Amino acid sequence: AQRVTQPEKLLSVFKGAPVELKCNYSYSGSPELFWYVQYSRQRLQLLLRHISRESIKGFTADLNKGETSFHLKKPFAQEEDSAMYYCALMRSGSRLTFGEGTQLTVNP
Amino acid sequence: ETGVTQSPTHLIKTRGQQVTLRCSSQSGHNTVSWYQQALGQGPQFIFQYYREEENGRGNFPPRFSGLQFPNYSSELNVNALELDDSALYLCASSSPGGDRVIHEQFFGPGTRLTVL
Repeated sequence: AQRVTQPEKLLSVFKGAPVELKCNYSYSGSPELFWYVQYSRQRLQLLLRHISRESIKGFTADLNKGETSFHLKKPFAQEEDSAMYYCALMRSGSRLTFGEGTQLTVNP
Repeated sequence: ETGVTQSPTHLIKTRGQQVTLRCSSQSGHNTVSWYQQALGQGPQFIFQYYREEENGRGNFPPRFSGLQFPNYSSELNVNALELDDSALYLCASSSPGGDRVIHEQFFGPGTRLTVL
């Protein structure tokens, strides 16, 4: 069965510090992985997907099949990055399996 | 282009009652997925509708049922409500085609259901 694990429920860093949000997955097939973000009082929205290999708002995530990880990284955190972050795995038919989320707080 | 909308915003019910939640998909999207998000948890997949047919179901009992209409809007019905059904219910729309491209899911703001 597929599973997504985000080991940290809370993560707090100072502005300008690097940040890494961890995500590990288990899936027997070839995974399609995503990071979703939910800012305060806003709806859940896609941040980035591994197939795009893009950087959004300074965030990047690399799929490591050997370690079954898809960690989200940003070299210099900003206060506006404070939000809830969810790692998600997509099965066939556009069905998402989410992790439990990491609440990131960037302190001034 | 309008985004995904859900109604109502909040709802309070008592155990044993039935509830219907509604979702209007984003313009041009023919697929709607429903998720349950309990407090402190990530969203959990309930089921998906594609062109008015159920297209996959998560680990939820049959008292969770749904519909999709010709305009691709959708309803989630929950019968015999239990206290554990208290959660945020999210609707997401997408437009998967016959190709291998993974299409983004766009989420609505959710309906907060409280069961007393």
